Amino acid sequence: DAKTTQPPSMDCAEGRAANLPCNHSTISGNEYVYWYRQIHSQGPQYIIHGLKNNETNEMASLIITEDRKSSTLILPHATLRDTAVYYCIVRANNAGNNRKLIWGLGTSLAVNP
Amino acid sequence: GAGVSQSPSNKVTEKGKDVELRCDPISGHTALYWYRQSLGQGLEFLIYFQGNSAPDKSGLPSDRFSAERTGGSVSTLTIQRTQQEDSAVYLCASSLRPPGASTDTQYFGPGTRLTVL
Repeated sequence: DAKTTQPPSMDCAEGRAANLPCNHSTISGNEYVYWYRQIHSQGPQYIIHGLKNNETNEMASLIITEDRKSSTLILPHATLRDTAVYYCIVRANNAGNNRKLIWGLGTSLAVNP
Repeated sequence: GAGVSQSPSNKVTEKGKDVELRCDPISGHTALYWYRQSLGQGLEFLIYFQGNSAPDKSGLPSDRFSAERTGGSVSTLTIQRTQQEDSAVYLCASSLRPPGASTDTQYFGPGTRLTVL
């Protein structure tokens, strides 16, 4: 079973910030939060990941709450090309732990003109 | 550089036939994963290869499914006696670092869409 909970769908106006929430209330101390997205008919694409601190890269920002039970992916200026399904995944990186990513159904983000 | 590639991009087969799906990971990546994705669903883990270690086969749904990784590079996923429920997109991913490292970002190929008639 997926360890995360995400809203099934969201809408965002082009040029606006898209804020995608994720709940991971059972996250363990050694589990990272990963975000991927999947544009229609393509393989998933890595976006960002974090452990405790907020992270930012050229694609997005990741805000993790202090208790680490939830996070938000922020696309600062959404474009039509950001329309995709966004997956939030928690995963431990320690050797011997479950290596596979456990995927839920994600959030289908529609960016509208 | 080149990303993960998979072939064929589409495969249509008849029930009961065997199929082979190929994955070429990013050069130098030590870890390789196979997933499958049914229509409208999230990804389902199948198998994981890490260097010369024994593969993690815990996600294979039945003994009709098997996978090899030759020379630590190319991988082939084989499905014997295909069934209609095997119809899905089969995705391959590779990563540079083993899971014991601090990060394990997986890079995905475009997938193979398998249709079993």
